Amino acid sequence: DTGVSQNPRHKITKRGQNVTFRCDPISEHNRLYWYRQTLGQGPEFLTYFQNEAQLEKSRLLSDRFSAERPKGSFSTLEIQRTEQGDSAMYLCASSQGQVQETQYFGPGTRLLVL
Amino acid sequence: GENVGLHLPTLSVQEGDNSIINCAYSNSASDYFIWYKQESGKGPQFIIDIRSNMDKRQGQRVTVLLNKTVKHLSLQIAATQPGDSAVYFCAENFGDDKIIFGKGTRLHILP
Repeated sequence: DTGVSQNPRHKITKRGQNVTFRCDPISEHNRLYWYRQTLGQGPEFLTYFQNEAQLEKSRLLSDRFSAERPKGSFSTLEIQRTEQGDSAMYLCASSQGQVQETQYFGPGTRLLVL
Repeated sequence: GENVGLHLPTLSVQEGDNSIINCAYSNSASDYFIWYKQESGKGPQFIIDIRSNMDKRQGQRVTVLLNKTVKHLSLQIAATQPGDSAVYFCAENFGDDKIIFGKGTRLHILP
C-alpha cells in the first residue's frame, strides 16, 4: 500500500499526558498537512510542511501542539498536557508540492483523552 | 470567518437512482473546489475537483457542477450503489494550501 499511513490508529490517554502521532506521506510528496476532525464536523486545518519547512500554522494549534518533519519525509504531531477537548481524529494528508494539488488523506489517529 | 456549508445533513436515495449533493460556499475568492467521500473510521477520499474557470467536470459516475453566480457547488452520483454510502464533504481553497471543509452530508442508500 503506497498511500498515506498514520500510527497509531487509536490512542487513549489520561488528561495531562503527552501523546505523539506519526504520519508517513506518499513517497516523493513534498507537502504534508495535519488536520483535526471532531465528530460530525469536517476536518479543520492545523498546519502544513513543504519538505522540512513548516509554512503555516492555524490558530487552532495552541502552544501545547508541536509538529515536526525533520528530514522532509515522515512527520510527527505532539500534544503536551492533553485536555479532554483534544479528543478528536487527527488526519494527515500529503500532496506532490504545488499549490492546489490534490491532497490525499491517511486513515487518521483517533485520540480519546479521559 | 467564511466557510463552506451544506443544505442537507442527510440524504436518502434509492439504490440505482442518481444522487445530488449540494453545497453553498460564501467566499467569492475561492477558486478551487473539491469533493471528498469519508466512510466510517476512514480518512477522506478524494472524489473529484473543479477550478473556478470551469462550470462542469465529469469523472467516473460522478459530475461536479459549479455555479459561481450563486456560489453553489453540487456533486451528482449516477446509479447510486450501496458502496456510495458515506459522508460527503465539499471543500474550498482560495490560492493557498489550506482546504476549508464544510460540515458534510450523509448519503444513505435505500435497498
